Amino acid sequence: DAKTTQPPSMDCAEGRAANLPCNHSTISGNEYVYWYRQIHSQGPQYIIHGLKNNETNEMASLIITEDRKSSTLILPHATLRDTAVYYCIVKGGGSEKLVFGKGMKLTVNP
Amino acid sequence: GAVVSQHPSWVICKSGTSVKIECRSLDFQATTMFWYRQFPKQSLMLMATSNEGSKATYEQGVEKDKFLINHASLTLSTLTVTSAHPEDSSFYICSAIGPSSYNEQFFGPGTRLTVL
Repeated sequence: DAKTTQPPSMDCAEGRAANLPCNHSTISGNEYVYWYRQIHSQGPQYIIHGLKNNETNEMASLIITEDRKSSTLILPHATLRDTAVYYCIVKGGGSEKLVFGKGMKLTVNP
Repeated sequence: GAVVSQHPSWVICKSGTSVKIECRSLDFQATTMFWYRQFPKQSLMLMATSNEGSKATYEQGVEKDKFLINHASLTLSTLTVTSAHPEDSSFYICSAIGPSSYNEQFFGPGTRLTVL
């Protein structure tokens, strides 16, 4: 599976949109982009995933560039409860494994 | 959404004893479950893939005789840490592939193991 690169940390003001970037320049055609987050001392939580089209659900939006080499997770109105480590993971369609990188710590400030 | 539970949420044991951790899919059947380990300030590391009715597949460097995995039903997988030592102290997390066709994994809340 392709590797991903995320900045180590980011701050965001409560109520503002949080845009979390991820680079995956070696992604191949059948690999999906998944986003999970982990709040301190809890199991990871699935957020969203996509292949090439932009996706939106009740938690977030996922914007994937046309060349698929990068993506952005958007939390439209960040709250304090969104403070967590966010993981961007690329996974092949036929693969079941998730390989977690270091992720990015998002801190939402009041 | 799909719910995965773990029991116990935390456990303290003496060095040399064995500890069993349960992972259950509460509202769906899971033919495949995964076990991860997470040390403080580090990311999750996949230990093994657990398949119902067959032997688990362990990642490189994970001792299969030390970390026994049993996936006897479609809703339960267990991880037994045998002859635990202080270096086995960690946060153990399981996950299960959810019921949709997209293979997203749903994670349990984790089990904090402390070996004295």
